[in-house]
Amino acid sequence: AQSVTQPDIHITVSEGASLELRCNYSYGATPYLFWYVQSPGQGLQLLLKYFSGDTLVQGIKGFEAEFKRSQSSFNLRKPSVHWSDAAEYFCAVSGGSYIPTFGRGTSLIVHP
Amino acid sequence: NAGVTQTPKFQVLKTGQSMTLQCAQDMNHNSMYWYRQDPGMGLRLIYYSASEGTTDKGEVPNGYNVSRLNKREFSLRLESAAPSQTSVYFCASRPLTSGRADEQFFGPGTRLTVL
Repeated sequence: AQSVTQPDIHITVSEGASLELRCNYSYGATPYLFWYVQSPGQGLQLLLKYFSGDTLVQGIKGFEAEFKRSQSSFNLRKPSVHWSDAAEYFCAVSGGSYIPTFGRGTSLIVHP
Repeated sequence: NAGVTQTPKFQVLKTGQSMTLQCAQDMNHNSMYWYRQDPGMGLRLIYYSASEGTTDKGEVPNGYNVSRLNKREFSLRLESAAPSQTSVYFCASRPLTSGRADEQFFGPGTRLTVL
């Protein structure tokens, strides 16, 4: 069975600082990996996705993520955080069934 | 395109009442999903429909039923609401592209409180 672990429930950063949100997955073959963002009171929006090929994936809003098979990780990064990045972030994995499994989310707090 | 729409946005029910949450998508997607989101639990799949005419149980189907009315619409019904069903409900859709898993598109959610 596939699973996702987001070890950090909350992350606090100062505006302008760099950010890394962790995601570890469990899946027997090459996974399909996703990061979504959820602003307060909103639905989820896709930030980026990995299917195959280049392991460094660029997304919207200046985010990127790196797929590391050896570590079963797909960490999300941003070099300089803006106050508008404060939100809930979800990592998800899916395989051949195309039914994704979501992590429990990481809440990002941005201090001015 | 409106994307994925959900009605209602908010609802308060009393224990034992029934209601149907509506979801529609205008992107011609094949697959549709219903999730519930509870604090600290992420999104948990209730039911999904891989294509028109099919529905399958997800992780937490008890107390819910679904109908894939046509390709556009996928409704979620609570026959006898319980306080444990207080949650935020999200509908999502996804195209069916052979050989890969495209991302899901989410609606804005329905916030349901059962007293």
